[in-house]
Amino acid sequence: KNEVEQSPQNLTAQEGEFITINCSYSVGISALHWLQQHPGGGIVSLFMLSSGKKKHGRLIATINIQEKHSSLHITASHPRDSAVYICAVSRGAQKLVFGQGTRLTINP
Amino acid sequence: KAGVTQTPRYLIKTRGQQVTLSCSPISGHRSVSWYQQTPGQGLQFLFEYFSETQRNKGNFPGRFSGRQFSNSRSEMNVSTLELGDSALYLCASSLESVLSYTEAFFGQGTRLTVV
Repeated sequence: KNEVEQSPQNLTAQEGEFITINCSYSVGISALHWLQQHPGGGIVSLFMLSSGKKKHGRLIATINIQEKHSSLHITASHPRDSAVYICAVSRGAQKLVFGQGTRLTINP
Repeated sequence: KAGVTQTPRYLIKTRGQQVTLSCSPISGHRSVSWYQQTPGQGLQFLFEYFSETQRNKGNFPGRFSGRQFSNSRSEMNVSTLELGDSALYLCASSLESVLSYTEAFFGQGTRLTVV
């Protein structure tokens, strides 16, 4: 079992739908990162959080430390949100560990 | 403010050769970390440099090495290239260590193909 598991692996939705991507991890962490990767490879850091909830425009990220679980929500999804979303965790001075990514496709 | 710059963007090398990739971080950032992304293994952490010192290393063979200069620019070197080294290599810069509570800014990556 991977240390960081994301679900679903692939998600296709219609424009305007509410999207949820989940991330579960198996060890204690110091921070959790949500990343977005568009075709071509460039990665953008969306959120970094260690507790609670953060909001950026239509994006919301939550984390439950006790349950070792985080969710990334996208409200009013748009085709430009189509990308791979990656969850990563860091544990103190140890290496970053990544989930396998969720490929999101939003159809117009 | 300029972003993270990686050069070159694309590279084709032959098995057995060596390659050097470059990463220029955002001005003022002291940490540069490197990652390998392949279809089979996904994103994997290679190593992190902070103020010219390697701070952490992932599970990669000694053929993968790096260094950081006094201006925080970093280079990554892979010697004796193997076909399996074909990947997208990404670097990220941050103010403090990427492993602590700090945001990382990624470059566009260098796509290395080994033939």
